[in-house]
Amino acid sequence: RKEVEQDPGPFNVPEGATVAFNCTYSNSASQSFFWYRQDCRKEPKLLMSVYSSGNEDGRFTAQLNRASQYISLLIRDSKLSDSATYLCVVLSGGYQKVTFGIGTKLQVIP
Amino acid sequence: NAGVTQTPKFQVLKTGQSMTLQCAQDMNHNSMYWYRQDPGMGLRLIYYSASEGTTDKGEVPNGYNVSRLNKREFSLRLESAAPSQTSVYFCASSRGDEQFFGPGTRLTVL
Repeated sequence: RKEVEQDPGPFNVPEGATVAFNCTYSNSASQSFFWYRQDCRKEPKLLMSVYSSGNEDGRFTAQLNRASQYISLLIRDSKLSDSATYLCVVLSGGYQKVTFGIGTKLQVIP
Repeated sequence: NAGVTQTPKFQVLKTGQSMTLQCAQDMNHNSMYWYRQDPGMGLRLIYYSASEGTTDKGEVPNGYNVSRLNKREFSLRLESAAPSQTSVYFCASSRGDEQFFGPGTRLTVL
């Protein structure tokens, strides 16, 4: 089993739709979790951290489920500009043990 | 404030050639990282440097060496390039949990 697993997609959704991505991790001792966004042929950029209590930033909501060992990202009211690849990142013991998922590709269609 | 810069942006090498990828950050971050990104795989950590004067191996260090020249600069050297090192290389620096990535170097080894 991979340490961090994501469905690579692509997820093709119409503008205005709500879409959710999950990411599962295998190390129960993992400590910190993040979602990064990567546009085509660009560098990754932090979208949001994922806290145990969940967190929301505008149309984006991130959740952590430690019992089932997954994190999720919900995007409401999708915009064309949301089209990108969303990377799940898990830290286990500091940055010497950082694991990126392969990313989930989202394409928002007019 | 340029953030994280990388040179070169593109490079083609022949098997056995050597080269150094340069990275610099102007955000006064202590920690810096080198990753590679390959299709179908998440970003993988090659080396990281927690502070000036220290470097540590990541997940895939074989075939690479690094130098943390000063707080700003962190270089990655390929002593004898192999086709398996064809990849996109990203440098990053961090403040706390957030990593800031450079624009990447696309390297092809023939």
